[in-house]
Amino acid sequence: AQSVAQPEDQVNVAEGNPLTVKCTYSVSGNPYLFWYVQYPNRGLQFLLKYITGDNLVKGSYGFEAEFNKSQTSFHLKKPSALVSDSALYFCAVSPSNDYKLSFGAGTTVTVRA
Amino acid sequence: NAGVTQTPKFRVLKTGQSMTLLCAQDMNHEYMYWYRQDPGMGLRLIHYSVGEGTTAKGEVPDGYNVSRLKKQNFLLGLESAAPSQTSVYFCASSGGLNFYEQYFGPGTRLTVT
Repeated sequence: AQSVAQPEDQVNVAEGNPLTVKCTYSVSGNPYLFWYVQYPNRGLQFLLKYITGDNLVKGSYGFEAEFNKSQTSFHLKKPSALVSDSALYFCAVSPSNDYKLSFGAGTTVTVRA
Repeated sequence: NAGVTQTPKFRVLKTGQSMTLLCAQDMNHEYMYWYRQDPGMGLRLIHYSVGEGTTAKGEVPDGYNVSRLKKQNFLLGLESAAPSQTSVYFCASSGGLNFYEQYFGPGTRLTVT
């Protein structure tokens, strides 16, 4: 069975500073990895995914994530955070032959002006 | 395209009452999912469907039933609501070549008193 760990419940950064949200995973075989964002009282929105190829993937709103197979990690990054990036972020994983996702517990990001 | 829609947005039930949550998608997706979201626990899969007329249990299926009589609709039923089912419920769908990329509805906030 697959699982995802997001070790930080909360991340606080100042606007303009780099933002990192951590994610590690456990899965049999090759992983498909995803980041979703949830704004207050809204559903989850897809940010980016890693399926295969380049370990650095770029997504929506200036976010990127780096797949590290040896460390089984898929950290989300943004070089310069905005106040509007404040939201709840979820990392998710599935085995390459499956369509069901396993989600982490989520990390609340607060960007202060 | 409306994407994934959910009805109702909010509901309050008394213990023992029943209700049905409706999910509809207009993307002709084969796969549909029901999740519940609880603080600190991320999203947990309740039931899912891989096509019209098929359903399967997810991680936390007890107390819920589902039906997929039409490809575009996925219903989640609570036969006898319990306070432990107080949660936010999300429906999602996926399909086509990007079957692993899920699209989420806006959610239903259910309170059982």
